[in-house]
Amino acid sequence: DVKVTQSSRYLVKRTGEKVFLECVQDMDHENMFWYRQDPGLGLRLIYFSYDVKMKEKGDIPEGYSVSREKKERFSLILESASTNQTSMYLCASSGSGVGNTEAFFGQGTRLTVV
Amino acid sequence: SQQGEEDPQALSIQEGENATMNCSYKTSINNLQWYRQNSGRGLVHLILIRSNEREKHSGRLRVTLDTSKKSSSLLITASRAADTASYFCATDAVNFGNEKLTFGTGTRLTIIP
Repeated sequence: DVKVTQSSRYLVKRTGEKVFLECVQDMDHENMFWYRQDPGLGLRLIYFSYDVKMKEKGDIPEGYSVSREKKERFSLILESASTNQTSMYLCASSGSGVGNTEAFFGQGTRLTVV
Repeated sequence: SQQGEEDPQALSIQEGENATMNCSYKTSINNLQWYRQNSGRGLVHLILIRSNEREKHSGRLRVTLDTSKKSSSLLITASRAADTASYFCATDAVNFGNEKLTFGTGTRLTIIP
């Protein structure tokens, strides 16, 4: 059974902390994505990666960075957490090639910054 | 910015009725996908339609795509209580040769038993 696994289901962090959200996929997918989901705003793309060590900014990259040192792992980093980063974070992966981009999602990490 | 926008934002229907959701997008696409999300969970892929296809079926799902209008619709026939969820369209636009998957804001569907 294919899987995308996020390291935490719920997370509470303090303002100013450096936060790491980890995502691992076992499908040998080239593409990996980080989204945040907020009520009324849908899913907004933060960063995506199409290969190891490669990354591209999404629509809302400010305040975030990412790391992809291995193909199966894509990490989202909040350099200095702020309360407006309280949200549900969703990781996804997909294969490459036109028409081969069905995305598989992790269960989500609900982050609260206090 | 969001590539896709779903309409309506929320929809409540009686069990057994058909549910129709619409999606509009802004730029040229390779394909369009629909996903479902149960409350507080990750998204699950439902169906993919390529840009050269006009209609596709999968079980009780029917998807149409009109690239001239940059719009798609998802029809769920004979709805069941278990269909209660949020539904999102996603577009796969090529961005400098790399595929970027962008989602809309979603339609919240409630099936009333």
